[in-house]
Amino acid sequence: QKEVEQDPGPLSVPEGAIVSLNCTYSNSAFQYFMWYRQYSRKGPELLMYTYSSGNKEDGRFTAQVDKSSKYISLFIRDSQPSDSATYLCAMRRGDYKLSFGAGTTVTVRA
Amino acid sequence: GAVVSQHPSWVICKSGTSVKIECRSLDFQATTMFWYRQFPKQSLMLMATSNEGSKATYEQGVEKDKFLINHASLTLSTLTVTSAHPEDSSFYICSALPSVGNTEAFFGQGTRLTVV
Repeated sequence: QKEVEQDPGPLSVPEGAIVSLNCTYSNSAFQYFMWYRQYSRKGPELLMYTYSSGNKEDGRFTAQVDKSSKYISLFIRDSQPSDSATYLCAMRRGDYKLSFGAGTTVTVRA
Repeated sequence: GAVVSQHPSWVICKSGTSVKIECRSLDFQATTMFWYRQFPKQSLMLMATSNEGSKATYEQGVEKDKFLINHASLTLSTLTVTSAHPEDSSFYICSALPSVGNTEAFFGQGTRLTVV
C-alpha cells in the first residue's frame, strides 16, 4: 500500500466550476500537508501548506485536512483555464522529506 | 521569491556514459537539498538528501554508487548519473531548503534525462 493515495484522474471541468481534489494517507506520523501545482515538464510550485486539521483559505483555493480520517482536500473555486495543470498532494514528518501523491491532471475548459 | 535553478533542463546521453545535473539556489543558502525522480504519469519519489559538507543519505533502493551526489557549497548540489542506461531515463527534480527561516523547500524546474 502506498503511503499517499491520489486519484490521477484526469479531471475535466468547465470554466467557473469548483475543482475538488483529495488524497488519503496511511502514515499517522505525517504532520505537514501541502498541495503543489505542476505544469508539464516543470518543477512543482507550492500552492497551499497546512499543519493542523481544519480549513485554510487563500484566494480561490481552500485546503482541508482531516487527520482523524487521514484525508486531505483541495478546492479551487471559479476555476480558470490557467488552472489546468497537475495537482500533487504532499506530506511530511518533521524532517522535510516529502511523500507525494501520484498527482491529478486537471483541465479547465473555456 | 526564492529561485532554484537546475541545469541542464534536458539532456540526451548515450548508454554507458555519465551525466551531471546541477541544482543551484540563486538567492538563498541551502544547507539541505533533496533529489527526486519522476517517471511519466507517476509521482515524485525522493532519491536522496544532500547535506552541505557531508555525505548524502539515500532512500531505500537507490544505488548510491550509481547516483553520486555532491553538495560542496551552500548554494550548489550536483547529481551525477554514472553509467547511465535507458531505464535511468526520467525527470530529475531537486529542491533546496533555506538554511534560515521556517519555510518549505523550493523546487527547481527539473531535468529531463533521456538515455539512448
